[in-house]
Amino acid sequence: AQSVTQLGSHVSVSEGALVLLRCNYSSSVPPYLFWYVQYPNQGLQLLLKYTSAATLVKGINGFEAEFKKSETSFHLTKPSAHMSDAAEYFCAVSDGGGFKTIFGAGTRLFVKA
Amino acid sequence: GAGVSQSPSNKVTEKGKDVELRCDPISGHTALYWYRQSLGQGLEFLIYFQGNSAPDKSGLPSDRFSAERTGGSVSTLTIQRTQQEDSAVYLCASSQDYTSTDTQYFGPGTRLTVL
Repeated sequence: AQSVTQLGSHVSVSEGALVLLRCNYSSSVPPYLFWYVQYPNQGLQLLLKYTSAATLVKGINGFEAEFKKSETSFHLTKPSAHMSDAAEYFCAVSDGGGFKTIFGAGTRLFVKA
Repeated sequence: GAGVSQSPSNKVTEKGKDVELRCDPISGHTALYWYRQSLGQGLEFLIYFQGNSAPDKSGLPSDRFSAERTGGSVSTLTIQRTQQEDSAVYLCASSQDYTSTDTQYFGPGTRLTVL
């Protein structure tokens, strides 16, 4: 069975500081991994996805994530936070044979001026 | 349309009533998903449609929940005899095809409140 754990339901950073949102997964098969973002009063949108190509994946708005098989992690980072990054971020995993995508509980990012 | 749309955006109902939630996927998308997002929790998968195939209903929490997709496009999620624990945001998503790597495009959701 697959699962996703997001460490920290809330993360607060100062504007210009590094953003690090943690995600660990469990999967019995090589996983496909996703980060989605949900801005206030909006639907979820895809930030980036890992599909067994390059382990460092670059997404929109300057975010990137690195797949580390040995650590079963797929942490999301951004070098310099912007106020507009304040949102809720969801990590998700799916296997290669099915359609079902399992989402983590989400991490709400706060950015302080 | 340009994106996935859902209606209504908000629904307040009394316990025991039935509700219908509607989803219009992106035109041409063959796969459609329903999720439930409860306060402080992640997205809970409910049901999945792919083209004309029988839907996978494995995520539906009880037999009070049902969904249909007419003509391979619009979908309706029905909750019968609503309970307070059904209060949540119900999200619909569509994707172009049925693959695990395909990006899902989400609608804005329907916020259901059961009094």
